[in-house]
Amino acid sequence: GAVVSQHPSRVICKSGTSVKIECRSLDFQATTMFWYRQFPKKSLMLMATSNEGSKATYEQGVEKDKFLINHASLTLSTLTVTSAHPEDSSFYICSAREGTSGDYEQYFGPGTRLTVT
Amino acid sequence: KNEVEQSPQNLTAQEGEFITINCSYSVGISALHWLQQHPGGGIVSLFMLSSGKKKHGRLIATINIQEKHSSLHITASHPRDSAVYICAVRSWDTDKLIFGTGTRLQVFP
Repeated sequence: GAVVSQHPSRVICKSGTSVKIECRSLDFQATTMFWYRQFPKKSLMLMATSNEGSKATYEQGVEKDKFLINHASLTLSTLTVTSAHPEDSSFYICSAREGTSGDYEQYFGPGTRLTVT
Repeated sequence: KNEVEQSPQNLTAQEGEFITINCSYSVGISALHWLQQHPGGGIVSLFMLSSGKKKHGRLIATINIQEKHSSLHITASHPRDSAVYICAVRSWDTDKLIFGTGTRLQVFP
């Protein structure tokens, strides 16, 4: 099946610094990428949706200046957590699909665990 | 009431048992996904369904669109099947995935 990779898998950073998480589709062109956040023992929460070459669409309550998303190519999207704070500590998961419609399968990355100290 | 409900929330089984996890939803959908999440977090997509039934190895997924219900079956369960199983539906209106709260499965040898 299709593979989505994320890097890094774990990151620890100091409060006030910025952290970049990469998401790559390895064997397909990801027209649409999604970024989710998951709190312990909770469901995934959609943060934003991005289509290649366009600005990301953020969900209500998600600060776009805090969580910068770039989908510069059909195989790469990045999420940058700017000026990170301990409350940003979470599990971040990206997901990608080949087309823009829901007819396409959506594949998930392995996730990145962010800890802000 | 959540738009996607899963049952049971927790499930324990002996190795070899047949397992069923249920998912009911209340919105119009274009597809339903079954996902598996192991401790440590990574999510694996098991099935995407819009009708009927799919089988992959020991896993079977069915969906009844009229009843807005799907089931995930695991035959001859094994301890390596221990994970959280998540049902997610793609809303026809918003084209976004709506996730169930997951079913935590533990299979003991």
